[in-house]
Order: sequence, then structure tokens, then C-alpha cells
Amino acid sequence: QVQLKETGPDLVQLTQTLSITCTVSGFSLTTYNVHWVRQPPGKGLEWMGAMWNGGGTDYNSAFKSRLSISRDTSKSQVFLKMNSLQTDDTAKYFCARHDAYGPFDYWGQGVMVTVSS
Amino acid sequence: DIQMTQSPSSLPASLGERVTISCRASQGISNNLNWYQQKPDGTIKPLIYYTSNLQSGVPSRFSGSGSGTDYSLTISSLEPEDFAMYYCQQDASFPYTFGAGTKLELK
Repeated sequence: QVQLKETGPDLVQLTQTLSITCTVSGFSLTTYNVHWVRQPPGKGLEWMGAMWNGGGTDYNSAFKSRLSISRDTSKSQVFLKMNSLQTDDTAKYFCARHDAYGPFDYWGQGVMVTVSS
Repeated sequence: DIQMTQSPSSLPASLGERVTISCRASQGISNNLNWYQQKPDGTIKPLIYYTSNLQSGVPSRFSGSGSGTDYSLTISSLEPEDFAMYYCQQDASFPYTFGAGTKLELK
């Protein structure tokens, strides 16, 4: 069955770099796209960026050059890396599967990351 | 960026009631509008895609409609498991954007 699971740190220090891994199963990264979405505590959803099945990426310009998404298809993993973390980057980070013609159809459980000063 | 304005932000309702949640885009999005449900445990699932298409496995009491800039999600008869947060999302252009959410609560 289709599964996505995010793994990453619970706590990151101010100005440091966040690294999260999304490990997928039940589908191929060369067939489906994977997106990253975050949700600050008590707030709504924010699209961060995408890893397309062909290997290209797109990013929300709100993150300027802080954000990088990559993948290792042999390990079925997609990586999010974001630097210069601030306190307002405290959020739950989700990865989600997407095919070209529908919604984000499967989501991970998310990983809650707190940025601490 | 396309702004998505969702209303109401909170919707008290009773079991069996018919409810509608609205979503307005700041510019036309050509029906590229999806709806998601988020449960209190954080689990997110899609309900409707491309305005009116029911995602596989979603009960038929959910429906979507709209065009241009105005879209809506209707639940025809509320069941206990429907009390949750609902978000609209446009995927017409980057960055994809979500509405601020509607909390459907038991009256």
C-alpha cells in the first residue's frame, strides 16, 4: 500500500539548517510527484515545493533560496533542506504524493519541528 | 500569488444537516480547485479534485462545484466523522495556495 513517512529532528536551533527525509513505499518516485507542505501550530497549510517525477523541482518563492528539494530514487526518498531557520519556521512538515491529474492523494503523518533560540 | 479566501472560518452544525463551505480565488483558476479534510489527529485526506470530482473512497455526500473564482464544498447530510477542518487549494499556478481553513464543529 502507498505510504509516506517523514523523519527529521524535533528541535533545530535558530539560524541552523533543517533536513527532513520523506521515505515512500507502494509507488515509484519516477511515476509520481512528491510535494512538501508545512503547517505552523494552529494555522493553515503552506505549499513549499515539489519534486517532479522527472527529477525537476519547483519552489514557493516565499522561501527564496533557503529551500532545496532533492531525491534518491534507489532509496525511494525525497529530501527537504532549508537553511537559516527562524522561529516562524516552527511547524509540522508533511510530504504528499501527487499525480499530474488529481489532488495530493496520500500524505505522510508529518514531522513537528520546533525552532529554538 | 493567488490568494484563496475561505468562508466561514468556523461552522457550527448538527448531525444530518446540509452545509456548504465557500472558497474564493483572487483571480480565475479554471476549475483547478481541490478540497481536503484534516482530522484532529492531523491526518489529511483529499475529498474533491478539479472542482467537482470525488476522490476514490470518499462518500457521495461530499460534492463540489464552482467556476471562475468562486467554488464550494457541500456535505449533504453530516455524519459524526465529518466534524473536522476543511481546506481548499488551487493548483492553477505556482505557488499552489490553500485557503485558511473552515472548522466544522458540532453545534
